[in-house]
Amino acid sequence: DTAVSQTPKYLVTQMGNDKSIKCEQNLGHDTMYWYKQDSKKFLKIMFSYNNKELIINETVPNRFSPKSPDKAHLNLHINSLELGDSAVYFCASSHPRTTGETQYFGPGTRLLVL
Amino acid sequence: QKEVEQDPGPLSVPEGAIVSLNCTYSNSAFQYFMWYRQYSRKGPELLMYTYSSGNKEDGRFTAQVDKSSKYISLFIRDSQPSDSATYLCAMSYYTGNQFYFGTGTSLTVIP
Repeated sequence: DTAVSQTPKYLVTQMGNDKSIKCEQNLGHDTMYWYKQDSKKFLKIMFSYNNKELIINETVPNRFSPKSPDKAHLNLHINSLELGDSAVYFCASSHPRTTGETQYFGPGTRLLVL
Repeated sequence: QKEVEQDPGPLSVPEGAIVSLNCTYSNSAFQYFMWYRQYSRKGPELLMYTYSSGNKEDGRFTAQVDKSSKYISLFIRDSQPSDSATYLCAMSYYTGNQFYFGTGTSLTVIP
């Protein structure tokens, strides 16, 4: 009965590769997010989708492209991976009208670029 | 200057101590204030959520917001080893808006 799930949990890859991270939520929420957490634990918003539409797009390299096939899924594709992309990526979801400011986070995907 | 500042610690306290965690912020437009707890290798989970100024209590946890000083606090009473985690404050301007997180404070409660 996992609320927000991400796959894979761990991702080790070489520089220059392209990779995707998948996120699914079964909470019926209409807003989903991608965050990046660096080695110092700083959590920074990357993207936010509401009802499959992009509503927040922070200053993120255009190598990062989110895709939301439906309200329950928000995937993150990363092209031409760089060393600095190594971090933990968290997906989250919320439904402001019913959950207020509560965002539910997934377990994270630990990306290591070699 | 970051929108939200938080002392990263680490903070180490004996079991049973009262813990005080704090964040300051620069933008007076923030209205929603949250505290998240993150265990090692896990995603953040919501602990407390406060709208505007005031106090909110939930068991051993108390959240305080002082908008005039742009300062928020989380107090943990009778701290337990299971409270050992990183605590992140977060804020937003309005419902559905993005969150701005502090850098997190690492807490260890020693048995």
